[in-house]
Amino acid sequence: EVQLVESGGGSVQPGGSLRLSCVASGFTFSNYWMSWVRQAPGKGLEWVANIKQDGSEKYNVDSVKGRFTISRDNAKNSLFLQMNGLRVEDTAVYYCAREGPYDFWSGNYDYWGQGTLVTVSS
Amino acid sequence: DILMTQSPSSLSASVGDRVIITCRASQSMSNYLNWYQQKPGKAPKLLIQAASSLQSGVPSRFSGSGSGTDFTLTISSLQPEDFATYHCQQSYRIPLTFGGGTKVQIK
Repeated sequence: EVQLVESGGGSVQPGGSLRLSCVASGFTFSNYWMSWVRQAPGKGLEWVANIKQDGSEKYNVDSVKGRFTISRDNAKNSLFLQMNGLRVEDTAVYYCAREGPYDFWSGNYDYWGQGTLVTVSS
Repeated sequence: DILMTQSPSSLSASVGDRVIITCRASQSMSNYLNWYQQKPGKAPKLLIQAASSLQSGVPSRFSGSGSGTDFTLTISSLQPEDFATYHCQQSYRIPLTFGGGTKVQIK
């Protein structure tokens, strides 16, 4: 059974940092692109970043450029999101999601984690 | 960025109704359109990818159509478990973008 389990969320003041983790099981993690997608309270979904199987390609939305970094450790079946310079508008549930096992990103997500809540407030 | 506009933003319907949700893209994107269902407090679930390809295990009352800029999600006969929020998403170009969501409520 495919499982994605996020952790690392919490409350932080503006300007602070958090590191989110997502541990994958039930599939060969190193074969898949992976993404982070977030959802602010009561709002729609927003793609944040994705990363290729070997970490050689990474993309992210403009609003987090220079502040958030996506990475992965295939030996530990883990995906990460380092979030620095957090802003109030980054408050959201952050989901880890699996993309496709292709050389190019597919951009659709067949498995999602349960999400971890990040709250940025003074 | 490709802007995705869903309509309506919410609707009320009864069990057994036919429901149609539309999604319009700000530029042509072939069939790179996906639909997700999300229930309160839960992660989204992929229903349809590539505009019309039903995910394994998704009931056949769900269908998708469209190409270019205009897409639809149809639920042929609404069931109690279908009351949820539906999101469209383009996977044509980065940044990947979602529509604002359509909340399907019980009439």
